[in-house]
Parts: sequence; structure tokens; C-alpha cells
Amino acid sequence: RKEVEQDPGPFNVPEGATVAFNCTYSNSASQSFFWYRQDCRKEPKLLMSVYSSGNEDGRFTAQLNRASQYISLLIRDSKLSDSATYLCVVPGRGFQKLVFGTGTRLLVSP
Amino acid sequence: NAGVTQTPKFQVLKTGQSMTLQCAQDMNHEYMSWYRQDPGMGLRLIHYSVGAGITDQGEVPNGYNVSRSTTEDFPLRLLSAAPSQTSVYFCASSYSPGKNTEAFFGQGTRLTVV
Repeated sequence: RKEVEQDPGPFNVPEGATVAFNCTYSNSASQSFFWYRQDCRKEPKLLMSVYSSGNEDGRFTAQLNRASQYISLLIRDSKLSDSATYLCVVPGRGFQKLVFGTGTRLLVSP
Repeated sequence: NAGVTQTPKFQVLKTGQSMTLQCAQDMNHEYMSWYRQDPGMGLRLIHYSVGAGITDQGEVPNGYNVSRSTTEDFPLRLLSAAPSQTSVYFCASSYSPGKNTEAFFGQGTRLTVV
């Protein structure tokens, strides 16, 4: 099983829609999880951290399900500017490296 | 507030040439790493370091060398460039991944090997 798995998408949604992405992880001992956003040809930047059951920041909500070993990212009221690739990141086994998912691409259309 | 500085931004190499990608951070981060990103492959870890003098291999280390003589710098060396190494390279730094902290990335190096 891969350490981190994501659906690559793309997810095509209209403006104003609600969209959710999931990410599964294999290291059951992980305590921290991250969602990063990457715009085309740019470096990834931190969007949200998830340390316990969940985290909310405006239109964005990240949730953690430890029993099923997945985290989710929910985006409400999608904007055109939300179009990007969303990367799921967890510490690898031994907590000496970060492991990135392949990313989920979101396209928000007018 | 420099953060992570990565140079060069663009580079074209001929097959067989060697070069060094530079990465420097001014945040006193313990952990530094190099990734390559290819279409449809996501970010793949090349090498990483958990502190000065300590390096380890990631997922795709072949053809690359690293060293960490100081906390601030973590250069990536391509020994003999091959077309398969055409990619976008990102350097990242953070406090220990086990300490639940954000990773900061350089702006990337777009490398083409012809």
C-alpha cells in the first residue's frame, strides 16, 4: 500500500459548488497531516494543517478519520481562484521525512 | 524574510554534464529535502537531511548526490545528467517532520537535459 494516496482528478466544478477530496495514508502512528496547494508551475504552499479531528478556515474544512486512516478537504462556495492542485502530506514512517500524495487537480469553471 | 532560496530557476544541460542545484534556508530548520516533480507523478523525494552532517536517500536517489555541511545549505548534485532527469526540482525545509510543522519550498528549478 502506498504511504499516501489521492485521486488525481481532475474535479471539474462550477463556481459556488462544494467539492471534497479524500486522502488515505498508511502510517497509523501519524499525528499530523497537511493539505498543500500548488498552482501551475509554482511551489507548493501550506493550505491547512490537521492535528486532531479537524480544522476549519473560512470556506475550507479539513477532517481526519483515524479509524479509516483518511483525511478530507472540503471546499465550500468554490471560486475560480481555487483552481489548483491540492497535495496531501503526511510524515513518513520514522517521522524523518514528509510524504506527498500525487495531488488532486481542481478546476472551477464560471 | 528570504525563507528558502533555490538557484538557478532554469537550466539546460547536455547529456553527461554535471551541475549543482543550490538550496539555502535562513529559518534554522533541521530538516531539508529535495523533490522532483514530473507530470502525473507528484512530488518524489530524492534525498533528505535531518540535520548537518546527516543525509539519507529518498524514493528516487539514483544519479544525485547531496551533502549537508551546514544547517543552512543543502546542495543537490547531478553527477552525469541524463534526459530522464529533465524535471522540476524543489527544495524544502522545515523543523522535524515529527514536530507537526509546515514545510517551506523554494521556487523550483526547471531543468532540461538534452
